[in-house]
Amino acid sequence: LAKTTQPISMDSYEGQEVNITCSHNNIATNDYITWYQQFPSQGPRFIIQGYKTKVTNEVASLFIPADRKSSTLSLPRVSLSDTAVYYCLVGDSDNYGQNFVFGPGTRLSVLP
Amino acid sequence: EAGVVQSPRYKIIEKKQPVAFWCNPISGHNTLYWYLQNLGQGPELLIRYENEEAVDDSQLPKDRFSAERLKGVDSTLKIQPAELGDSAVYLCASSAGGARETQYFGPGTRLLVL
Repeated sequence: LAKTTQPISMDSYEGQEVNITCSHNNIATNDYITWYQQFPSQGPRFIIQGYKTKVTNEVASLFIPADRKSSTLSLPRVSLSDTAVYYCLVGDSDNYGQNFVFGPGTRLSVLP
Repeated sequence: EAGVVQSPRYKIIEKKQPVAFWCNPISGHNTLYWYLQNLGQGPELLIRYENEEAVDDSQLPKDRFSAERLKGVDSTLKIQPAELGDSAVYLCASSAGGARETQYFGPGTRLLVL
């Protein structure tokens, strides 16, 4: 299983763009990169998933360089409600299916 | 569409007592996961079901934990006997299956063992 490394915490101010980088040096050819968001007292919630280059949805963008050894989640113009823990996962798709491993995540605090 | 339902939301028991958690996944989702989450940590997979078959239970402490998914829909996770260190949030998630499918999580059951 590919391990991931993320910053433990980040602070930002409302209206700023936030970029959270995740390292996954041992990513396998078939692995996808997925980001989840978790608010207190709730289960994680899917944000975005990608394999290479750039993926964008209504919530975030995901940038993946050619070597795929890292990825960056970009949150445009954050608000106070974006304060949460963000997890980077790398999927290991073998014959038994995925077994995503959650690390400790990045605790994002958005300040007014 | 209803999300993943878990019950109870909170449970307080004394050590050595049994406890059970129930999960109802999203309709049509073949894959069901049970995770344990300690304070300040990410979720840790305990067991994964594909329909009614447990395909990954390598992280499940089988001496005291058990799980079942009868008829490939609802699932129950049991601890017997509970220990102080079992205090955590137990999360259930489901997905349509496959390596790329999104996992949808329930709100979790917060367990406190005294």
